Amino acid sequence: ETGVTQSPTHLIKTRGQQVTLRCSSQSGHNTVSWYQQALGQGPQFIFQYYREEENGRGNFPPRFSGLQFPNYSSELNVNALELDDSALYLCASSGPGLAGHEQYFGPGTRLTVT
Amino acid sequence: GESVGLHLPTLSVQEGDNSIINCAYSNSASDYFIWYKQESGKGPQFIIDIRSNMDKRQGQRVTVLLNKTVKHLSLQIAATQPGDSAVYFCAENIPHGAQKLVFGQGTRLTINP
Repeated sequence: ETGVTQSPTHLIKTRGQQVTLRCSSQSGHNTVSWYQQALGQGPQFIFQYYREEENGRGNFPPRFSGLQFPNYSSELNVNALELDDSALYLCASSGPGLAGHEQYFGPGTRLTVT
Repeated sequence: GESVGLHLPTLSVQEGDNSIINCAYSNSASDYFIWYKQESGKGPQFIIDIRSNMDKRQGQRVTVLLNKTVKHLSLQIAATQPGDSAVYFCAENIPHGAQKLVFGQGTRLTINP
């Protein structure tokens, strides 16, 4: 196990609703990245947070937003949910002493939008 | 554009045989290439990485080969075991601001007894 935890495990929402997903990074890790993994696909980078600031963003619309807290835990918020938002949402943490690409993934949150 | 792809979506091997999983990439600026293993219901698990200035790296039962001339990456698993059954992803790290991993579609490896 990586020490990265995510909640909830599963979630069902209706189109148009808003959702908040949570991630607790591994102890000592100050960088959190979020990825979206559609069924049968590889994860796609959404954005990264470093010391509570957004540090980079992938090709996702502004209705995908995030936060990182002083304890380095993080939230992913998605507004105006669409059916195509149904996916596994993964967070990954990294930190001091690790190369930037050394990211440790949590188990993910499975979001279903109906 | 950025893309990391895989030649084979599925691979079936006999237990004890060696497995080779291939991957093509397109971004010359990537500084690291990484292989991840993802079991059902779990997040991707780091297996091995290779820096862009290397062409081979060995781990425990795994070897990664990098051919920058043809932008090709492979993962070799020796003496495949039932526990190796999973989906394997290659990923490239693009070091522009955020350390952004670009993943391929994945190859499902199944082990026949």
